[in-house]
Amino acid sequence: DSGVTQTPKHLITATGQRVTLRCSPRSGDLSVYWYQQSLDQGLQFLIQYYNGEERAKGNILERFSAQQFPDLHSELNLSSLELGDSALYFCASSVEGGTPKEETQYFGPGTRLLVL
Amino acid sequence: GNSVTQMEGPVTLSEEAFLTINCTYTATGYPSLFWYVQYPGEGLQLLLKATKADDKGSNKGFEATYRKETTSFHLEKGSVQVSDSAVYFCALGGGGADGLTFGKGTHLIIQP
Repeated sequence: DSGVTQTPKHLITATGQRVTLRCSPRSGDLSVYWYQQSLDQGLQFLIQYYNGEERAKGNILERFSAQQFPDLHSELNLSSLELGDSALYFCASSVEGGTPKEETQYFGPGTRLLVL
Repeated sequence: GNSVTQMEGPVTLSEEAFLTINCTYTATGYPSLFWYVQYPGEGLQLLLKATKADDKGSNKGFEATYRKETTSFHLEKGSVQVSDSAVYFCALGGGGADGLTFGKGTHLIIQP
């Protein structure tokens, strides 16, 4: 158990809908990262937040957004969902907001999203 | 940009066999290298890491050495067990990129 929690574990929704995925980082970690794991694209970095502020952006679609709250939990919002958004979404956390070279990221169990 | 290449498998071995999963990378500068493992139905767990050339990461009988001259970070284990069956991901951090860059993952199946 990494100490990173994600809810819900599974989510089934329809095209065009909007969903919110939630992540709580390890106790004491200030930085949260979101990744998408799909069959065709593999594991891709989406976005990073550090202490409430956006720190870095990866391959995140404009239909997707995230935020980190004062208690450091984070939410990933996915809107106008398409079939291709079906994937496993992982949250990871690290102590500081250092570069991936410097800091180890600890991953949650993921949220499996199925868009029908 | 950065990239990680690893065999995708599935790789099927018998219990107690020697394991090698190859991983090569392309990156600018001097990235850190990681192996993560994903057991069925679970998230990614950090298996081992190395932060500079010639470093050896090790954990639970697994080892990998950061080879800058061959841009490789191959995962090895001397004697695998059925419980090692999982998907193994090689990843790099740094190299000018935000976030970790992952390989496609190698599905390992160990038969009793």
